[in-house]
Amino acid sequence: GAVVSQHPSWVICKSGTSVKIECRSLDFQATTMFWYRQFPKQSLMLMATSNEGSKATYEQGVEKDKFLINHASLTLSTLTVTSAHPEDSSFYICSARGFGGADTQYFGPGTRLTVL
Amino acid sequence: GNSVTQMEGPVTLSEEAFLTINCTYTATGYPSLFWYVQYPGEGLQLLLKATKADDKGSNKGFEATYRKETTSFHLEKGSVQVSDSAVYFCALGGGGNKLTFGTGTQLKVEL
Repeated sequence: GAVVSQHPSWVICKSGTSVKIECRSLDFQATTMFWYRQFPKQSLMLMATSNEGSKATYEQGVEKDKFLINHASLTLSTLTVTSAHPEDSSFYICSARGFGGADTQYFGPGTRLTVL
Repeated sequence: GNSVTQMEGPVTLSEEAFLTINCTYTATGYPSLFWYVQYPGEGLQLLLKATKADDKGSNKGFEATYRKETTSFHLEKGSVQVSDSAVYFCALGGGGNKLTFGTGTQLKVEL
């Protein structure tokens, strides 16, 4: 089946630094990529939707200047957490959608971010 | 707005026991409904789906029926195995191909 990778799988950084997370669709072209955030024992919260070559659409309450999303190609999207703070510590998950409806979203394994 | 409520876990069962994980939803219109499974260290995988009322989704022995009258999509399996241990997420599909997820239910199956 379709495979989505994320890198890194976990990262620890100091408060005030920026962290970039990559999401790649390995064997298909992703017209749309989604970024989610997951807190312990809570559901996945959609942060933003990105389409290749255009600006991301952010969900209400998500700071677009803090969570920079770039979708420069059909196989790569990046999420950059700028000036990270401890409250940004979380599990970030991306998904990629090929051609078709919502059931063709393929999920990455997630990235655990810890901000000290 | 759309929301999904599923039973809290963890659910611990003995092998070959019957499994039910409850899921109810709130949505406008008639969304598609999904169950995703996340095995340890892996990404979410689509387990099954249903796109309209009374549809039954099934895969790997798991089943769920789209019940419009009770706004439910409960996941069932007649005989669970240790390899079914994972976290299960109920989700509904909204506009823009967005998914709204429940909180997930961890299933532990013991010998």
